[in-house]
Amino acid sequence: GAVVSQHPSRVICKSGTSVKIECRSLDFQATTMFWYRQFPKKSLMLMATSNEGSKATYEQGVEKDKFLINHASLTLSTLTVTSAHPEDSSFYICSARRGLRGGVYTEAFFGQGTRLTVV
Amino acid sequence: AQSVTQLDSQVPVFEEAPVELRCNYSSSVSVYLFWYVQYPNQGLQLLLKYLSGSTLVKGINGFEAEFNKSQTSFHLRKPSVHISDTAEYFCAVTPALNSGYSTLTFGKGTMLLVSP
Repeated sequence: GAVVSQHPSRVICKSGTSVKIECRSLDFQATTMFWYRQFPKKSLMLMATSNEGSKATYEQGVEKDKFLINHASLTLSTLTVTSAHPEDSSFYICSARRGLRGGVYTEAFFGQGTRLTVV
Repeated sequence: AQSVTQLDSQVPVFEEAPVELRCNYSSSVSVYLFWYVQYPNQGLQLLLKYLSGSTLVKGINGFEAEFNKSQTSFHLRKPSVHISDTAEYFCAVTPALNSGYSTLTFGKGTMLLVSP
């Protein structure tokens, strides 16, 4: 299957600082990328959907000014957690999909996840 | 909107025993169905998917699942599990639209615990 690389895998930052997480599709062009947050023993919560070259669409309850998403190219999307606080500590996972292919569904591939700890 | 229910949060099983992880969904439109596996501190890996055709779907690592439209279920099965199958398993659905932008809705996950 296709490869989605997420970096870093772990990051510890001080409260009040910002952290950037990168998500790259290594061998395909990802028209759409998704960012999820996973709480302990909980399912994945979709935070936002981003399409290359346009603004991200955030899910209800997700602060767009706190979680900045940029999808500057067909192979790269970034999530920046601004002014991080301990409650932002979580596991963040990105996902990428190819664009539409003749109306046929294209599956999503997931990155390895980033464990963010804010101290 | 879609929803996914995984009734069992945890399933303990002995090595080489069969296992079934249950998944039920709710949707007003046709859906595609997926099972993903997540190992600790890692992302999700696709086990198998149902898009159309045969309702019995075979995936990687010896897993299979059967789509039952009348019961709105997509249970995951494996005839003989290994210690290495210990992981979190997520069932997911997405609307069967001809679109590259539909999102996945996940269940809460089932932790499969395989012991010797």
